[in-house]
Amino acid sequence: EAQVTQNPRYLITVTGKKLTVTCSQNMNHEYMSWYRQDPGLGLRQIYYSMNVEVTDKGDVPEGYKVSRKEKRNFPLILESPSPNQTSLYFCASSLLRTGGGTGELFFGEGSRLTVL
Amino acid sequence: KQEVTQIPAALSVPEGENLVLNCSFTDSAIYNLQWFRQDPGKGLTSLLLIQSSQREQTSGRLNASLDKSSGRSTLYIAASQPGDSATYLCAGSQGGSEKLVFGKGTKLTVNP
Repeated sequence: EAQVTQNPRYLITVTGKKLTVTCSQNMNHEYMSWYRQDPGLGLRQIYYSMNVEVTDKGDVPEGYKVSRKEKRNFPLILESPSPNQTSLYFCASSLLRTGGGTGELFFGEGSRLTVL
Repeated sequence: KQEVTQIPAALSVPEGENLVLNCSFTDSAIYNLQWFRQDPGKGLTSLLLIQSSQREQTSGRLNASLDKSSGRSTLYIAASQPGDSATYLCAGSQGGSEKLVFGKGTKLTVNP
């Protein structure tokens, strides 16, 4: 089954304790991306990657790191989480279109993170 | 910078009604426009993808159109059903990049 898998789905942590949210896709997609969703602000892009070892900042990259060492995995790293990073996080993937832009986006189920 | 706006923020209709959801964007150099559905506590599910060279896409009771000159996309839902109740989001790419910008969504309630 084609899917994007995120872990953990739920996490409560404390300020400053490094954490990683994993994302894996089994569709051989070039493009992967992370979003956060907050009430009143909608979905905002954190980072995206167009292929292995190629990553770019989205609109809200501050406080986050990513890596793309393998095509299927795109972990989101919070080196020193703060309460304002409490949010619902989504990973997504898609093929890249020859003429530019992404194809149909497939989303994970989301990871709800609370930073105390 | 691409900005995407969805109006209204919420919509309540009786079952069986045909309805239109609106999405407007500021940058006409858009690669593609996607419509998604999000159920409470769930991820997003892609409904329709309109590529930059296309004007519309259809899937079942759903039809999405894209007018780049006016900066608008619409999602038409025919014969709405209670199971269509969800939040519908549109997303467009910023010209020249694969950055995706989402609207804040329209929360649709279809009443039996």
